[in-house]
Formats: sequence, C-alpha cells, structure tokens
Amino acid sequence: AQSVTQLDSQVPVFEEAPVELRCNYSSSVSVYLFWYVQYPNQGLQLLLKYLSGSTLVKGINGFEAEFNKSQTSFHLRKPSVHISDTAEYFCAVSDSGGSNYKLTFGKGTLLTVNP
Amino acid sequence: EAGVTQFPSHSVIEKGQTVTLRCDPISGHDNLYWYRRVMGKEIKFLLHFVKESKQDESGMPNNRFLAERTGGTYSTLKVQPAELEDSGVYFCATQRDRGVGYTFGSGTRLTVV
Repeated sequence: AQSVTQLDSQVPVFEEAPVELRCNYSSSVSVYLFWYVQYPNQGLQLLLKYLSGSTLVKGINGFEAEFNKSQTSFHLRKPSVHISDTAEYFCAVSDSGGSNYKLTFGKGTLLTVNP
Repeated sequence: EAGVTQFPSHSVIEKGQTVTLRCDPISGHDNLYWYRRVMGKEIKFLLHFVKESKQDESGMPNNRFLAERTGGTYSTLKVQPAELEDSGVYFCATQRDRGVGYTFGSGTRLTVV
C-alpha cells in the first residue's frame, strides 16, 4: 500500500517570498510522483511530475520539485510567489509498473499568498 | 483538445434519492478514473476503466455506487440511494497512457441533505 503525507495543511506567505510545500511518501515499489493544484472553483491541474531521470523537475508557473529517494520526499518550491498562486496543492503518487495506475493523494496544502 | 467535462457541476439531493454523475473524457483517452473528496479528507480513488472494462473498482465504497462506461466513451456514476456521507466532490480524470499525467475534470459537488 502507498501513502502520502503533506506535512502542512496550511501555509500562509507574503507575496514575493519563497515557499516550500512538503511531501513525503511511502511505497514498497517504484513510483511516479505528481503535484497538482486546485484553484478556487476549478478542477485539478497538473503542476509537474517525476517519472524518471533528473531528480529536479520544473513545472508550470515557476514551480519546481526535487525527488529525494533516500528521504522519500518530493517537496515543491517556488522562489517568489504571487497572489495568484493562492490555491490548494496536492502531492500524489502512483506505481510506475504493473497494472495499478491509480493515484494516491495527500490531504492537500492550502497556500495563501498575502499582499 | 477539449478537456474532461463533468456534469452537473453541483447537485443537491435528499437522502434516499438517486443521483447520476456524468463524465465525458478527452477523445482517445482509454483510461478513465473516478475519485472523490469528502470534506476535509484526501482525494480518494474510486475506480478505473480501460475503455469499457472495469480495471480496478477497489475504491468503490459500497454497492450503492454503480459506475458504467458505455462503449468506452462517456462514463456515469450513479448513487442509489444516496446517504449523507456521500456528500463531497466527485472528480473524473482521464489518461491516454501511463505516466503522461491525468487530466481532471472540474468535479461535481454533491450535497446530500
């Protein structure tokens, strides 16, 4: 079984400050890793994903994440946030092999960017 | 390409009634998933279709939930009879191939009163 832990349920920051949203996972098999964002009144949008290769992954809107296999982490970072980044962010994993394609999500982190 | 379309966007029904949610996938996406987020909890997997076949329905809560995917195109999720604990946001997602990332719909917010 897999599990995902997002350590912070809420993260308030000021505009133009850096932010890190933490994600740790547990899995007995190799995984793919994802970050999704949900803006108010919208669906889930893929920010970035790690499938293989370079452990530093760049996504949309200036976000990036680093896969750390030894620490089983996939933290999301942005060097300077904007008001428009206010949203809920979800970390998710899926098996990278076999016939099981489903995503296991964390509980989400609500990022609030204040002026 | 057009996105994943879900409707209705909101539904309020009384306990004991029936509700049917619909998902129209992106054309050519054989993999279709249903997920649910109950208030304050994580988004949880319900089931996975490959074309018209159920690949994995291990997340379906109980037999009040019935999912179908006619001809491998659109999918419906029926809740009959609805209970209060079924309230939440139901997401549909589709995927062309493994690893390319899911495309999610905007969700249906179901409220059972």
